[in-house]
Amino acid sequence: DTAVSQTPKYLVTQMGNDKSIKCEQNLGHDTMYWYKQDSKKFLKIMFSYNNKELIINETVPNRFSPKSPDKAHLNLHINSLELGDSAVYFCASSQAGNTEAFFGQGTRLTVV
Amino acid sequence: SQKIEQNSEALNIQEGKTATLTCNYTNYSPAYLQWYRQDPGRGPVFLLLIRENEKEKRKERLKVTFDTTLKQSLFHITASQPADSATYLCALEPSTNAGKSTFGDGTTLTVKP
Repeated sequence: DTAVSQTPKYLVTQMGNDKSIKCEQNLGHDTMYWYKQDSKKFLKIMFSYNNKELIINETVPNRFSPKSPDKAHLNLHINSLELGDSAVYFCASSQAGNTEAFFGQGTRLTVV
Repeated sequence: SQKIEQNSEALNIQEGKTATLTCNYTNYSPAYLQWYRQDPGRGPVFLLLIRENEKEKRKERLKVTFDTTLKQSLFHITASQPADSATYLCALEPSTNAGKSTFGDGTTLTVKP
């Protein structure tokens, strides 16, 4: 009964492809996030959704499009993948007013 | 510009000693600060949160201090164990722009038996 689950865990793809990463949380949280962790271990927020509405969009290329069909899901779609997109992507969730964030296991994306 | 720095990329200590990790920030007005633990190949796991009006927080062998004058938080692990070996991240949430936590680059702690 994983709290925040994201799939796939590993994703290897060629430049120019389009790919999606899925995230689901069963904690009943209102807020979900996508973070990117690069090779230097910097964890940087990309997007935040609250009750299916986008509240934070951090200067991320518009090739990245998050989609939240309901408040338990926040998927990340990436178009025209580039080498620099290679990183580990983490989904997380938190309850509004309680900022402890629960993270998924991460998706290691490798663009070749 | 806003900056969060965790001193020493790596910290090696002997089992049983106290590990002290530092998180410094500049040009920030945090509402609170959090510490997370991250193991290789896993997502960060929340450990402790301390608010701007709190000086110290404890949880079992963990202690966090928050000095808004020095713009610094210290994270202590007492009676350290090899199982404490991991990367520790601090994260600041600004008083404005809720939900936008900014993470430091982490300190990798190794506790040697």
